[in-house]
Amino acid sequence: DIQMTQSPSSLSASVGDRVTFSCRASQGISNYLNWYQQEPGKAPKLLIYGASSLQSGVPSRFSGSGSGTDFTLTISSLQPEDFATYYCQQTYDPHTFGRGTKLEIK
Amino acid sequence: QVQLQESGPGLVKPSETLSLTCTVSGGSITTYYWSWLRQSPGKGLEWIGHIYYSGSTSYNPSLKSRVIISIDTSKNQFSLKVRSVTAADTAVYYCARETTVTYNWFDPWGQGTLVTVSS
Repeated sequence: DIQMTQSPSSLSASVGDRVTFSCRASQGISNYLNWYQQEPGKAPKLLIYGASSLQSGVPSRFSGSGSGTDFTLTISSLQPEDFATYYCQQTYDPHTFGRGTKLEIK
Repeated sequence: QVQLQESGPGLVKPSETLSLTCTVSGGSITTYYWSWLRQSPGKGLEWIGHIYYSGSTSYNPSLKSRVIISIDTSKNQFSLKVRSVTAADTAVYYCARETTVTYNWFDPWGQGTLVTVSS
């Protein structure tokens, strides 16, 4: 199975900050990489698919980049509703997820 | 818009079979793939498997020997069975629609249901 490693495991930031999340695959996955946001007690919500395509309805402050083994999710200007946990997922069989990065308020 | 809702027992005894159903509303189940996933503190998010409306399935090799996913298009439902459960199967179980075009992704998801394996 392809292992997905996210860093850091947690991150503190303030409203208005620009933040970046990293995700690394154990082998090349081209751009078959998705990002999800999960609030406590809720299901994950799709933000980005295909490494850089924004899901319909997701604010444009979210963006994704990368290809091969290294990927990045960026929030350009943090809003209060963005404090959550973020997961990356690769889509080769079997699909696998990273362990997440928890974004906390500084 | 499509919505998914999981249902089933919240408590299952060790060695027994876990059974869950996902009801799809707001759209037909006869398109897309339909997936089961689970989330636990120990293993994180884990894809269990998926089914197409034709009945074609694919499973995570780590669970394949114990899992069956089935579909009932007349009821717009699909189901999950995991046999011979242990405490390691305790998790929040989600159903989700899986889009498979150039890229694959899970969206939307059901709200999730906690299943505890305990005697």
